[in-house]
Amino acid sequence: DQQVKQNSPSLSVQEGRISILNCDYTNSMFDYFLWYKKYPAEGPTFLISISSIKDKNEDGRFTVFLNKSAKHLSLHIVPSQPGDSAVYFCAAAFSGGYNKLIFGAGTRLAVHP
Amino acid sequence: DAGVIQSPRHEVTEMGQEVTLRCKPISGHNSLFWYRQTMMRGLELLIYFNNNVPIDDSGMPEDRFSAKMPNASFSTLKIQPSEPRDSAVYFCASSLALASGGTTYEQYFGPGTRLTVT
Repeated sequence: DQQVKQNSPSLSVQEGRISILNCDYTNSMFDYFLWYKKYPAEGPTFLISISSIKDKNEDGRFTVFLNKSAKHLSLHIVPSQPGDSAVYFCAAAFSGGYNKLIFGAGTRLAVHP
Repeated sequence: DAGVIQSPRHEVTEMGQEVTLRCKPISGHNSLFWYRQTMMRGLELLIYFNNNVPIDDSGMPEDRFSAKMPNASFSTLKIQPSEPRDSAVYFCASSLALASGGTTYEQYFGPGTRLTVT
């Protein structure tokens, strides 16, 4: 019963272009969503988040969009850089849940020159 | 701040042996999480604590797995006896959960322990 799904295991993008990573969820009670980035041999690091009361949050080259009616969120990276090559995890949280996160399986992004 | 500290970084052991993984959370954080990462299941939550009390251990795969948090600055994940299928990277993460709201839900992860059971 995967509540958070990342259906694309991998994505390849050319440097300078836009990277779009997608995430779907099943539980409409989630009220916060986060994206994490993970390099090999390191722990995941927080990238950007969005509250369920918003539909967009932007931080530099990174923008997260939330479509509650479709239970879908996406992470846009513009422009993509080789250093963005990593595994990206989508996560969701309920309020009052001690900050427990439910993670998707991850999408491996490769940005090539 | 030193961040979340995990030890050891790598552990190689033989099947049947006891393995203990250690975690020191960020000072002041009140929630601690243990995860296992595998190719098949991604990041799998095993157990989490709040104020040193286990809240949900439903992700612990078998009775061979146990976790403790004797104080706010230390937690262990033990596997006894270990099996080859336990080979994975184990992460510890900590977070500050605010009862009054305003939390950002962000968890801070350690570097992980790569466990290999032969």
